[in-house]
Amino acid sequence: EVQLVQSGAEVKKPGESLKISCKGSGYSFTNYWIGWVRQMPGKGLEWMGVIHPDDSDTRYNPSFQGQVSISADKSISTAHLQWNTLKASDTAMYYCARLQAMEGYYSMDVWGQGTTVTVSS
Amino acid sequence: DIQMTQSPSSLSASVGDRVTITCRASQRIFKYLNWFQQKPGKAPKLLIYAASSLQSGVPSRFSGSGSGTDFTLTISSLQPEDFATYYCQQTYTTLLYTFGQGTKVEIK
Repeated sequence: EVQLVQSGAEVKKPGESLKISCKGSGYSFTNYWIGWVRQMPGKGLEWMGVIHPDDSDTRYNPSFQGQVSISADKSISTAHLQWNTLKASDTAMYYCARLQAMEGYYSMDVWGQGTTVTVSS
Repeated sequence: DIQMTQSPSSLSASVGDRVTITCRASQRIFKYLNWFQQKPGKAPKLLIYAASSLQSGVPSRFSGSGSGTDFTLTISSLQPEDFATYYCQQTYTTLLYTFGQGTKVEIK
């Protein structure tokens, strides 16, 4: 079964650092881009960025550039999303998803279950 | 940046109704348009890719149409499990994809 399994919920204080993970299984992890999506409480979906695990080519939404870091370790089929200095406004659900390419069109066909990040003093 | 605008933001419908949701792009995106369904507390689920191609395993009552700037998601006969929020997403700009704001489909 193709799946992405994300790390568990996190509760952090402002100013702390955090790294969450997304582990792929059931497919060749290095053949697909992995994207990250933010969903703030009660709000819609926001595209954060993507990484290709084979060569770690990474593209960021300019709105998130410099605020987060996306990385991947292909040896353990895992992608990461990292913050160096968390803010209360980072409180959200974060999803990873695989990008499939069908007839030249990309879409996010497999999603992780989501990681809830709560930042509060 | 390409902006995606969905309408309506919410709608009320009954089981068996035909439901149509519209998504408009701020510039031409050809057929680079996906549709997702999200239920409360769950990850989004891909329904339609490339504007009109049905993702494997998705019921045939879901269909997508459109090209250029105007797109439509249609549910031919609304089922109880279809009450959810629906999002469009453009994939025209290389690896910088944006979502619409969502359309919540509620029970009438």
